[in-house]
Amino acid sequence: DIQVTQSPSTLSASVGDRVTITCRASRSVDKWLAWYQQKPGKAPKLLIQEASSLQRGVPPRFRGSGSGTDFSLTISSLQPDDFATYYCQEYNTYFLVFGGGTRVEMK
Amino acid sequence: QVQLVESGGGVVQPGKSLRISCAASGFTFSRYGMGWVRQAPGKGLEWLAVATSFGTTGYYADSVRGRFTISRDNSKNMVDLQMNGLRLEDTAVYYCVKGVGHNYGNPFDYWGQGILVTVSS
Repeated sequence: DIQVTQSPSTLSASVGDRVTITCRASRSVDKWLAWYQQKPGKAPKLLIQEASSLQRGVPPRFRGSGSGTDFSLTISSLQPDDFATYYCQEYNTYFLVFGGGTRVEMK
Repeated sequence: QVQLVESGGGVVQPGKSLRISCAASGFTFSRYGMGWVRQAPGKGLEWLAVATSFGTTGYYADSVRGRFTISRDNSKNMVDLQMNGLRLEDTAVYYCVKGVGHNYGNPFDYWGQGILVTVSS
């Protein structure tokens, strides 16, 4: 089975900062990687699929990139609403795997 | 608008069974894969199972294969998760999820509000 490793597990940042979260798969998943945002007590929200395709309504400050085994989610200018936990998910195979999550907290 | 509403959660003893259900609306249910994802208290997301659009095939995470069974009824727009042999570590919020496509290998664009299953003696 594929393993998916996210880093960092926690990220401290300020409003306006550029932040980057990385996700590494143990073997190639081509472009089949998604990113989700989850706020406390809420269900996750799909932000990006196919590594870089933004879901409708997601602000363009969110950008996904990468292919194969190495991916990243970049928030170009962190906004107050962006403090949350972010998860990547590979869906290249029958068995879908989430990364461990990255909590973006206020510095 | 798309809605996924879970029901059937609660407290159950170790080794017992529980069936949770999800009622879907707002989209053509029979065209999309449906699944279940859980989140243990204070932990990350864990994919559990997915049923393809025709419901003939289910795919499972190693942690629940052989104990959990996903099923769907396209005539009722419902997807269920039958959970047998429950363990303490199955305690979690269980989310019903809709795939972006009809098959198994898809991300999930809609999520239910989640339902708590607590396994405790």
